[in-house]
Amino acid sequence: NAGVMQNPRHLVRRRGQEARLRCSPVKGHSHVYWYRQLPEEGLKFMVYLQKENIIDESGMPKERFSAEFPKEGPSILRIQQVVRGDSAAYFCASSPYGTGNNTEAFFGQGTRLTVV
Amino acid sequence: AQSVAQPEDQVNVAEGNPLTVKCTYSVSGNPYLFWYVQYPNRGLQFLLKYITGDNLVKGSYGFEAEFNKSQTSFHLKKPSALVSDSALYFCAVRDMGTGGFKTIFGAGTRLFVKA
Repeated sequence: NAGVMQNPRHLVRRRGQEARLRCSPVKGHSHVYWYRQLPEEGLKFMVYLQKENIIDESGMPKERFSAEFPKEGPSILRIQQVVRGDSAAYFCASSPYGTGNNTEAFFGQGTRLTVV
Repeated sequence: AQSVAQPEDQVNVAEGNPLTVKCTYSVSGNPYLFWYVQYPNRGLQFLLKYITGDNLVKGSYGFEAEFNKSQTSFHLKKPSALVSDSALYFCAVRDMGTGGFKTIFGAGTRLFVKA
């Protein structure tokens, strides 16, 4: 049973380029969460998605960041025109249910984005 | 709004001694509470959770946590620490009063266990 798979594990981008981070949830999970972890800091919630729907994006910066979770394929976190401050570890988590459920979320190993 | 506080950035303990990592929370409804551990350059691993029932919850690797509603706390404990327990620990809460779909994490507490 594969867990949450994130790729790439490490991503280097120059300022102004685009970064695309992919997350394949646990098989059968239809709920995906993205978190950002800055060096020496905790996890900050970014966005919560179900298949084809964004449920809560209250933690996403208003500009340059977008996320999707299509009917087929992985969830994608897209950062346009990256800046040095975007350098962080981005973690994806998935769960089988959403509202009202008591299950824990399963985390991927993260993508470490470095903007040079 | 829901929030989680881990008042200690770092906890130091000698191997074999008991350890406690503190967590307090704030929610509008009933909380679901979680502890996760993160080893260097790895994702988060689930340790234990409190949903309902017995206030003392037992989890992986000998860890346990006690839910205290009056103090709004969910401290992580282990009777005898191991060097291999050294890691970053995160407390998390899900506020069932708001629908409960978003899990909020504390800032993390780094645990150092000295041999």
